[in-house]
Amino acid sequence: AQKITQTQPGMFVQEKEAVTLDCTYDTSDPSYGLFWYKQPSSGEMIFLIYQGSYDQQNATEGRYSLNFQKARKSANLVISASQLGDSAMYFCAMREGLSTSYGKLTFGQGTILTVHP
Amino acid sequence: EAEVAQSPRYKITEKSQAVAFWCDPISGHATLYWYRQILGQGPELLVQFQDESVVDDSQLPKDRFSAERLKGVDSTLKIQPAELGDSAMYLCASSLGTQETQYFGPGTRLLVL
Repeated sequence: AQKITQTQPGMFVQEKEAVTLDCTYDTSDPSYGLFWYKQPSSGEMIFLIYQGSYDQQNATEGRYSLNFQKARKSANLVISASQLGDSAMYFCAMREGLSTSYGKLTFGQGTILTVHP
Repeated sequence: EAEVAQSPRYKITEKSQAVAFWCDPISGHATLYWYRQILGQGPELLVQFQDESVVDDSQLPKDRFSAERLKGVDSTLKIQPAELGDSAMYLCASSLGTQETQYFGPGTRLLVL
């Protein structure tokens, strides 16, 4: 079974509008972390935001926020006020607790975001 | 701002040749990861080091791939012999510890002809 599922192969958004990128996950470990990374065409993976499984509040980092719904096992990324430079591939990733792994990240298939002017 | 360094950025080789990739993690980061990313997919872990020790190499094709981090700082990933299916992006990441955020380098794009 897929541990991380990103169901949107591609998304389009108008500049200055908000966009939500979906991510669902599957784990039986009570301790885990969820990450979003941005990968521009240059190839580097850029860390955006992190949510821990025990965090009470949704994570926010500037224009990025994570809509964490633990019961539904979803961790959607919300980008507000989209900019042309936001056009890239976005990956959701999960790190399970030490009981399951040594901290490796398991990535989804990614969503290509295109921002139109 | 501290960054993960990787070289080369691009490598073209013929099948059956040997290739090597180098990674220098962020200073002070004890944990180092090598991931492989096939075009259109998410990265997958090949090998993970804690200091100079391998803690996870379960997905490393050990008949042709090897990795080392002799002094617990920089690391080398080697493929010998390269096969057509090895064409991919090879990403190095580092973190302070296994439960800390991983920061990635720019990657090495490998093309095997």
